[in-house]
Amino acid sequence: QSVLTQPPSASGTPGQRVSISCSGSSSNIGTSSVHWYQQVPGSAPKLLIYNDDERPSGVPDRFSGSKSGTSASLVISGLQSEDESDYYCASWDDSLSGVVFGGGTKLSVL
Amino acid sequence: EVHLVESGGGLVQPGGSLRLSCTASGFTFSSSWMHWVRQAPGKGLVWVSRINRDETDTAYADSVKGRFTISRDNAKNTLYLQMTGLRADDTAVYYCATPLTSRLRNGLGSWGQGTLVTVS
Repeated sequence: QSVLTQPPSASGTPGQRVSISCSGSSSNIGTSSVHWYQQVPGSAPKLLIYNDDERPSGVPDRFSGSKSGTSASLVISGLQSEDESDYYCASWDDSLSGVVFGGGTKLSVL
Repeated sequence: EVHLVESGGGLVQPGGSLRLSCTASGFTFSSSWMHWVRQAPGKGLVWVSRINRDETDTAYADSVKGRFTISRDNAKNTLYLQMTGLRADDTAVYYCATPLTSRLRNGLGSWGQGTLVTVS
């Protein structure tokens, strides 16, 4: 049971806009930044969004993040076949004094 | 370029011990928080532990508290995870990771390739 809640799966067709949600609490998302990771099975995770809505260098602007209260969202616009991956949200948790992850969302590009 | 290389994984019997290492290069290791994150086969990412820049502050997931110890040697640019009392559910790929910038506590911008720990 993950501290942050994500839908287990999401899907879309090429060119579509897809949103993945992440729900937490006042001890994590409510008071700390949200980060999003993309992971291709068999590979290490890659930071996609940090500090709620910032993109590291090299991440396409098709990927965007937002946060409101104790929830956050990752939006992928102009979906591409190579976006088919697992996506995880994460945040600092004050109770744990560490990081909490969501359970992950498997994105399928139909 | 940031480079993190984990080592020390392997097969260990239940109740056994193992020490993982993570050798860092390409950034100022002593200025960066460091984390261990694990992933059981076919499962999601789970945060394990973290350590601050000068080793004065550490934290652990409840599932490993009292059994795992994180440490670092800034002179050797190396992060460690001493694991004792290993259980079958500790079986996972263990990643070391560091924040995108030294100003951050998390927002893990660099990851190692992972090392597999199998408890059986």
